[in-house]
This record gives sequence, C-alpha cells and structure tokens, in this order.
Amino acid sequence: GAGVSQSPSNKVTEKGKDVELRCDPISGHTALYWYRQSLGQGLEFLIYFQGNSAPDKSGLPSDRFSAERTGGSVSTLTIQRTQQEDSAVYLCASSPLKYTGELFFGEGSRLTVL
Amino acid sequence: GQQVMQIPQYQHVQEGEDFTTYCNSSTTLSNIQWYKQRPGGHPVFLIQLVKSGEVKKQKRLTFQFGEAKKNSSLHITATQTTDVGTYFCAGPDTGGGNKLTFGTGTQLKVEL
Repeated sequence: GAGVSQSPSNKVTEKGKDVELRCDPISGHTALYWYRQSLGQGLEFLIYFQGNSAPDKSGLPSDRFSAERTGGSVSTLTIQRTQQEDSAVYLCASSPLKYTGELFFGEGSRLTVL
Repeated sequence: GQQVMQIPQYQHVQEGEDFTTYCNSSTTLSNIQWYKQRPGGHPVFLIQLVKSGEVKKQKRLTFQFGEAKKNSSLHITATQTTDVGTYFCAGPDTGGGNKLTFGTGTQLKVEL
C-alpha cells in the first residue's frame, strides 16, 4: 500500500481480555517499530524489528505484551489480559533503512480497556 | 537510560509570533530527527540533522543541531494556524540498539 496500515483503528475491550493489533508496513521497508502513546503524552518505544535479526524487545512493559513479524512484513502486537493502564494509541512505524532513518507512521490503533 | 527532554511542554502564541522548542539529550546523538503531530494525527517526519552545528531551513522552520550533538532546536518564524500541533525531537539509542527515543514533545497552539 501507499502507507503504513494499522487495524483496527479503534478497539474497546473489557479488562482481562486479549487483543491483537495489526500493522502492515510500507512494502520494502525492512525496519518496523511499535510505539505507545497515552493521551497527551509522548511516544513510548515498545519493540523494534529489523529484517531477520532478533527483535529489540527492550521497551515491552510486561510479559503480557508480545509481538511478531511474519515474513519480514506484517506485524501483530498482542496484549494478553488487558488492564486499564494499557489504554493508549498504539503506533506502528516502518523505515527503509537498516539503521535509524526516517520513520513512516501509521494512523494508530486506539485501545480502550474498560 | 537515555533521556530526551524538550522545553517548553506547552506554548501558546498569537499568529505571527515566533516559536522555539528546545531538545536536550542526556547522551551524545549521532543524529537528531524532528517530527510534527497534528491533533488527532500521527507523527510526520520533518527533518534529520547529522553534523555538529548543522543548521537546516524549511520555509519558516529553522532546525539546529548543537556543537556537542546533545541538543537541538526548532524555530518557527511568524507562526500560522497550520503550525498547530506537537513537535517531537528523536534520537537513536546510544546503547547500540536501533530504537529511536522520542523527546517529551512541545505542544504549540496558535491563536488568531
């Protein structure tokens, strides 16, 4: 596609449920990032994928969070047993460069945990 | 860990006034990037600075990278309502990873 695509755009779930957020990066981009942005706050790094290398998971806040990137393209961020503090916008970004270059962000997935 | 702070956190200006946001890193950066996020939108890349002391201009926007490569600034001349949004600086992690650490952001509001 022309840009980074994320789905769903909005997700409302009940506390304790699992959620999956999907990111389809720009074709050919080898780097993929997940960030979290709480209301009115900055961007919190979650995880980074680069090609076939082991992902940098250093930003995942707990073991309830996990992410996969299949075939070097689409990525799924999974949050198990959601908590109210997980409510935020989850932003995916991709980059064509192996080392930090311009990031192209998707529109984000807004997660609300009731 | 690496920290990237921005000041001010908020700025209200009258249209036509100038605006500056400052970015300070706790560690030396190999490069600095700037992003703009409109209300309700996603961050959009503005520019990347690489060289010590580098200055780049985009129309009314002037970006500077400090001599020590630990600070940067974004200056907007004669603000317009279209400049409204939050401006973030971002620098690569110095621990050898590839993650980009974003600054705390400066929210700009422009009043007529």
